[in-house]
Amino acid sequence: AQSVTQLDSQVPVFEEAPVELRCNYSSSVSVYLFWYVQYPNQGLQLLLKYLSGSTLVKGINGFEAEFNKSQTSFHLRKPSVHISDTAEYFCAVKPTGKLIFGQGTTLQVKP
Amino acid sequence: GAGVSQSPRYKVAKRGQDVALRCDPISGHVSLFWYQQALGQGPEFLTYFQNEAQLDKSGLPSDRFFAERPEGSVSTLKIQRTQQEDSAVYLCASSFGTSGRGGIQYFGPGTRLLVL
Repeated sequence: AQSVTQLDSQVPVFEEAPVELRCNYSSSVSVYLFWYVQYPNQGLQLLLKYLSGSTLVKGINGFEAEFNKSQTSFHLRKPSVHISDTAEYFCAVKPTGKLIFGQGTTLQVKP
Repeated sequence: GAGVSQSPRYKVAKRGQDVALRCDPISGHVSLFWYQQALGQGPEFLTYFQNEAQLDKSGLPSDRFFAERPEGSVSTLKIQRTQQEDSAVYLCASSFGTSGRGGIQYFGPGTRLLVL
């Protein structure tokens, strides 16, 4: 069975500081990996995805993530966060058609 | 173009009532997914359609939950005899192709259901 663990439920950070949101997965088969962002009262928006190829993936809004197969991780990073990045972030794996999500990490950017 | 839309956005139901939640996917998208997101949790898969065929309903929590997509476009998720534990946000997502592993799912804003 596949599962996703987001290691931090909340991450407080000051504006313009770097941030890393951690994600580990377990799977018996190769998977595709995704990060989604959810702003209050909105649906999920795709930030970035890893399908194959380069393990460093760049997404929207300055976010990037690195796929590490040996550590089964897909951590999300941003070198300098903005107030507008305050939101809920979900890591997900896609072994077949459906997405399997982690519990989410709340990123709180403080001025 | 228009994204995935869902209606109603909010629904309050008394315990025991039946509810119907609607999803309008992006035009031309073959695949349609329903997810349930409890408060403070990640979304959990409910069911999947490819065109009008329901290919996976393994995530439906009980036989009170029923989904359909009769013409391969709009989908309805119906919950019969609602219970308090059904309170959640119900998310719909669509993708262009079949359930290929690389297909990107585009999400609607969700329907927030509160059962009193």
